[in-house]
Amino acid sequence: QVQLVESGGAVVQPGRSLKISCVASGFTFSNYGMHWVRQAPGKGLEWVAFISYDGINKYYADSVKGRFTLSRDNSKNTMYLQMNSLRPDDTAVFYCAKPEIGAFDIWGQGTKVTVSS
Amino acid sequence: SYELTQPPSVSVSPGQTASITCSGDKLGDIYASWYQQRPGQSPVLVIYQDVVRPSGIPERFSGSTSGNTVTLTISGTQPVDEADYYCQAWDSGTALYVFGPGTKVTVL
Repeated sequence: QVQLVESGGAVVQPGRSLKISCVASGFTFSNYGMHWVRQAPGKGLEWVAFISYDGINKYYADSVKGRFTLSRDNSKNTMYLQMNSLRPDDTAVFYCAKPEIGAFDIWGQGTKVTVSS
Repeated sequence: SYELTQPPSVSVSPGQTASITCSGDKLGDIYASWYQQRPGQSPVLVIYQDVVRPSGIPERFSGSTSGNTVTLTISGTQPVDEADYYCQAWDSGTALYVFGPGTKVTVL
C-alpha cells in the first residue's frame, strides 16, 4: 500500500525553527522527486517546495525561499523540511505529496505547524 | 506570478450536473489536474493530464479543456461529492506548480 506519513508538526514561536518529516512506503522512494504542499487554516492549497529523486535539484515557492530547506535520505525513505525564521503566516497543515505526470497522486495525512507567541 | 481562477462556489441538486471551471493564460499549453478535498481530509486526485481519471475515481467525474480553460464535470452529483475542488497546473519546462483558489461544491 502506497503511503506517506508526515510528522514533526508543533507549536513554535515566531522566528524559531522546526523540522518536519515525511516517511514513504509502498513505492520506490528513491525513484521519485517529492513535494511539500501546505494549507493555512480555512485557506486553499499552496505548493511549497520540490526535491528531485537524488536530492540535487530543489525548488521553493517565493514565500519560503531562503527560509526553508529540503533534504532527503533515500536509505530511510524519508524527506525533511527544515523551516527557519518561522512567521505567523507559515501556520498551516503541511502535506507531503508524490508526483505523477504533473499531478500529486498520493498525499499524506498532513502535519500541523502553528507559529504563535 | 502565475495565477489560476476558479469560481468560489457552485451549488447543484442531487442527481444533476456540476461544472467547475479553471482559467489561466497557460492552460492551453500545460497540463491541469483536479483535487477533491472533503472537510478535515487530505486532497484526493480526481483528474490529471486535463482529462484522465485515476483508477478508483467514479466515472461521474470527467475533465475537459478548451483554450485556456479546463473544466471538471460531476455528472449525477451525489451528496458525498460535497467538497472543495482545486485545479492545479504544471509546466514541465519551468517546474511551475500552482493551485487555483478552490471551489466549494454544495449539494442542496
